[in-house]
Amino acid sequence: AQTVTQSQPEMSVQEAETVTLSCTYDTSESNYYLFWYKQPPSRQMILVIRQEAYKQQNATENRFSVNFQKAAKSFSLKISDSQLGDTAMYFCAFGNAGNMLTFGGGTRLMVKP
Amino acid sequence: DTAVSQTPKYLVTQMGNDKSIKCEQNLGHDTMYWYKQDSKKFLKIMFSYNNKELIINETVPNRFSPKSPDKAHLNLHINSLELGDSAVYFCASSQFGQPQHFGDGTRLSIL
Repeated sequence: AQTVTQSQPEMSVQEAETVTLSCTYDTSESNYYLFWYKQPPSRQMILVIRQEAYKQQNATENRFSVNFQKAAKSFSLKISDSQLGDTAMYFCAFGNAGNMLTFGGGTRLMVKP
Repeated sequence: DTAVSQTPKYLVTQMGNDKSIKCEQNLGHDTMYWYKQDSKKFLKIMFSYNNKELIINETVPNRFSPKSPDKAHLNLHINSLELGDSAVYFCASSQFGQPQHFGDGTRLSIL
């Protein structure tokens, strides 16, 4: 079974600054995917970024990028130029070969004006 | 043109009742899922359904039963509701190896 750990229950950042959310996971599988999902107060689950484990290159999506360290089983999310609309819960998720997701406990991010 | 739609969005009911939550996806995905998000925001997979193969998370009580009339629908039926069933339930769908698309969730409140 996989486990996903997000060690920061809450974080805050000033608007326009950069923030990094941490995520570590544990698995014995070799073929998997990693995701960051955002859940704003509206409770929608919105995909932020996705990383295939077999790819060494870190995924980027506009202001969002990841630092994927496979050997360390670490998958952190960096948000650059933080905006007020980035305020949300952020969930790290592990997707196995069967595409079932295991989520971390979430990090509540507050962007302050 | 909502991709994954769940109904109802809110469900308030008495303990002991039986209820269903419906989910439909128009993305042509092969696999559908149900997740439960508890009051502490923790999300946990309940079921995965692909080509009539059901994968059940072993921690899910057998009062919960998914029903799939076709590939585009995966409904969740819950018997004998208990206080601990209060949560937000999310339906999702995907193709293999692709990100899951989530519905907007159904908040179930048990009185």
